[in-house]
Amino acid sequence: NAGVTQTPKFRILKIGQSMTLQCTQDMNHNYMYWYRQDPGMGLKLIYYSVGAGITDKGEVPNGYNVSRSTTEDFPLRLELAAPSQTSVYFCASSGGTGVQPQHFGDGTRLSIL
Amino acid sequence: AQKITQTQPGMFVQEKEAVTLDCTYDTSDPSYGLFWYKQPSSGEMIFLIYQGSYDQQNATEGRYSLNFQKARKSANLVISASQLGDSAMYFCAMRETLTGNQFYFGTGTSLTVIP
Repeated sequence: NAGVTQTPKFRILKIGQSMTLQCTQDMNHNYMYWYRQDPGMGLKLIYYSVGAGITDKGEVPNGYNVSRSTTEDFPLRLELAAPSQTSVYFCASSGGTGVQPQHFGDGTRLSIL
Repeated sequence: AQKITQTQPGMFVQEKEAVTLDCTYDTSDPSYGLFWYKQPSSGEMIFLIYQGSYDQQNATEGRYSLNFQKARKSANLVISASQLGDSAMYFCAMRETLTGNQFYFGTGTSLTVIP
């Protein structure tokens, strides 16, 4: 059971570089989410999507972009990486009703140096 | 106002004892779901237990139970017979059915099980 798969697991970027964090799910979930978790802190919502072609900003969208061309994939793009974006990034998906939990990927640990 | 409040930044419990992790929530949606997640030091987020707002009975999953008090808007997680492997961060979350788009997370409680 793959669930939610994130790649890469670890990455070091230089300031100003760009990269895409990949996320794919095989549960046919309409809802997908990107969070960041800074050390010792809770989750902050970056972007989310309620279906293919639809995305919306969360609490901390600045410096990030997303796209949702298919139900399965929800990549997160970092443009012009900054040290403040050093964090662990989690992708999650869920079904469409209030009773369904989120399923999380294992996270991507990103360092900007 | 915070949608989810966890007031215990850190908790300690003796191995084999029970522990309660507090969670209160704020919503005007009559239909909602409450969730608890565990995050061990390895970092992954593990779904533990779910309670629906219309559920008559408290949810249970093995050693985990959810003490749901709707009038008080609380959804405390009870872990019975604590084990060393229960040491982790625990997050409470809510999803409102009307919008259903976002999950609201608390700030988490760090649980340490003492041998």
